[in-house]
Amino acid sequence: ETGVTQTPRHLVMGMTNKKSLKCEQHLGHNAMYWYKQSAKKPLELMFVYNFKEQTENNSVPSRFSPECPNSSHLFLHLHTLQPEDSALYLCASSQHAGAYNEQFFGPGTRLTVL
Amino acid sequence: RKEVEQDPGPFNVPEGATVAFNCTYSNSASQSFFWYRQDCRKEPKLLMSVYSSGNEDGRFTAQLNRASQYISLLIRDSKLSDSATYLCVVNMGGNQFYFGTGTSLTVIP
Repeated sequence: ETGVTQTPRHLVMGMTNKKSLKCEQHLGHNAMYWYKQSAKKPLELMFVYNFKEQTENNSVPSRFSPECPNSSHLFLHLHTLQPEDSALYLCASSQHAGAYNEQFFGPGTRLTVL
Repeated sequence: RKEVEQDPGPFNVPEGATVAFNCTYSNSASQSFFWYRQDCRKEPKLLMSVYSSGNEDGRFTAQLNRASQYISLLIRDSKLSDSATYLCVVNMGGNQFYFGTGTSLTVIP
């Protein structure tokens, strides 16, 4: 596979469930990102990892827990979510973190919290 | 004031027309700028970075005006396949990337 892949593509979960989103990049990049895209709102940056180290956490609630075991894989662990967390969750990668690095996005996971 | 603002549109233009979008940003110290396109229910795809001197890629031209804090995207000779939402992205230092809500473009046959 090429580019950035995400699984699952769709996820429906109850508020008491625990689930995980997976992202994998095949571009040889060193930085990975999680974004949230809600209807009628701009993409919101959630987390940034550079060389497996978290460099940004934009005041994301603790019910979202990221994990980056290596530069190619990124997870978002979800637990006790709220209905307002329903959104498209996009993963992206770039050669390095920082201002001048172009980001490449995966297809996203469309999450519905019941 | 929002960090990045775009006119949501929609812009409906005939094939072959020229269309331009602007995007304003709040932080004068912003470092880098990008245009992405996003098709319905798909992920954003990089269209072009925006350089200080302006840059062109085929029918697309991007400009940066630091004094007035805006970037622009000009599309010449619009094609049906240009129909999409165009997202403005601004880096305001470090890894802080801010997206606009996007401008919707529909090219009409």
